[in-house]
Amino acid sequence: DGGITQSPKYLFRKEGQNVTLSCEQNLNHDAMYWYRQDPGQGLRLIYYSQIVNDFQKGDIAEGYSVSREKKESFPLTVTSAQKNPTAFYLCASSILGRGTGELFFGEGSRLTVL
Amino acid sequence: GQQVMQIPQYQHVQEGEDFTTYCNSSTTLSNIQWYKQRPGGHPVFLIQLVKSGEVKKQKRLTFQFGEAKKNSSLHITATQTTDVGTYFCAGPMNYGGSQGNLIFGKGTKLSVKP
Repeated sequence: DGGITQSPKYLFRKEGQNVTLSCEQNLNHDAMYWYRQDPGQGLRLIYYSQIVNDFQKGDIAEGYSVSREKKESFPLTVTSAQKNPTAFYLCASSILGRGTGELFFGEGSRLTVL
Repeated sequence: GQQVMQIPQYQHVQEGEDFTTYCNSSTTLSNIQWYKQRPGGHPVFLIQLVKSGEVKKQKRLTFQFGEAKKNSSLHITATQTTDVGTYFCAGPMNYGGSQGNLIFGKGTKLSVKP
């Protein structure tokens, strides 16, 4: 089955700790994204990548970092510099250059900072 | 900055009643996408509209894109309990980047009473 796998599903972190969220896709999509969702809010773009070894900041990149060493993988690190990290994090992928630009989402990772 | 606004924020209906959510963009959009997120789930793509004045139907769901390509609506006829969830509209960010760089509305949360 093709899709996007995010892990962990739930994560608790103490203030001052970095945490890395995993995102793997087997859809052979070129583009990958990280969105953040807060209760009652829409999704906001953190980072995106259109090609291996390249990525760009989205609207709310401060306090986050990413890497794209493989086409299939796009991990997100939430650093201690992120002032309000408790949120639902969604990884997505899309085809580039053709099609609708439809986003395929993973099941999400819910991060709680204690 | 660029904004996408959705109303209403919440809608409670009796099963069998109709439901409509409205989406308004501060800028002209090249296309608009709609997603559905079930409670506790992740967003799932429903449709993309591209042409001015376009109307598309999916069974009981009717999607419209305004003539000026700044507004859109989703109408559900005779709601069912399976329609429960939050419906988001999303348009491409006007600074470009990837096709999947979307700005989302805050969503309309639909609850259906059996």
